[in-house]
Amino acid sequence: GESVGLHLPTLSVQEGDNSIINCAYSNSASDYFIWYKQESGKGPQFIIDIRSNMDKRQGQRVTVLLNKTVKHLSLQIAATQPGDSAVYFCAEPSNTGNQFYFGTGTSLTVIP
Amino acid sequence: GAGVSQSPSNKVTEKGKDVELRCDPISGHTALYWYRQSLGQGLEFLIYFQGNSAPDKSGLPSDRFSAERTGGSVSTLTIQRTQQEDSAVYLCASSLMGGSWETQYFGPGTRLLVL
Repeated sequence: GESVGLHLPTLSVQEGDNSIINCAYSNSASDYFIWYKQESGKGPQFIIDIRSNMDKRQGQRVTVLLNKTVKHLSLQIAATQPGDSAVYFCAEPSNTGNQFYFGTGTSLTVIP
Repeated sequence: GAGVSQSPSNKVTEKGKDVELRCDPISGHTALYWYRQSLGQGLEFLIYFQGNSAPDKSGLPSDRFSAERTGGSVSTLTIQRTQQEDSAVYLCASSLMGGSWETQYFGPGTRLLVL
């Protein structure tokens, strides 16, 4: 199957700084990507998605960048807050669309 | 509106016992997914239901695992003769129609501990 992986398993940032979480994917045919946030003891929560016909999409304090040339995805969080501390997953659909492939996640810790 | 709900939130069982995990998807969502998440790991796909179509069971790790979805809504994941390696968080998700371009909305999970 295809794989989705994270460059760094952990990331610590100072409150107020910007955070960048990276993700590499292997299926060049993937046309949709999602970022999820998972807080301790909770299920993954949708943050933002992007389709392959876009290279950037912005939400509230979050921006996702897609570089199809190098099959790389990143999530940028502006002015990181303590409530942003969580594990962040990128996900892409399988070829059948019956499931999403998730990486192992990046654990973000915000230092007050 | 109400999100995906799962029950129980926690389950402790003894090795060899059977367990049933329940998922109530978002009302109107025809697609339902089960995933398993081991400690510190990503999500492992188990099974996918879409409407009245035959489920995609390709992720079930062994024949001790089974799932059903009654009336196109509630789903039950059953693990027979539980083993310690079955200990994990079992997550359910639903989406409106299923497919590659749809966001999956997750429930809070059931934390299963097999002693």
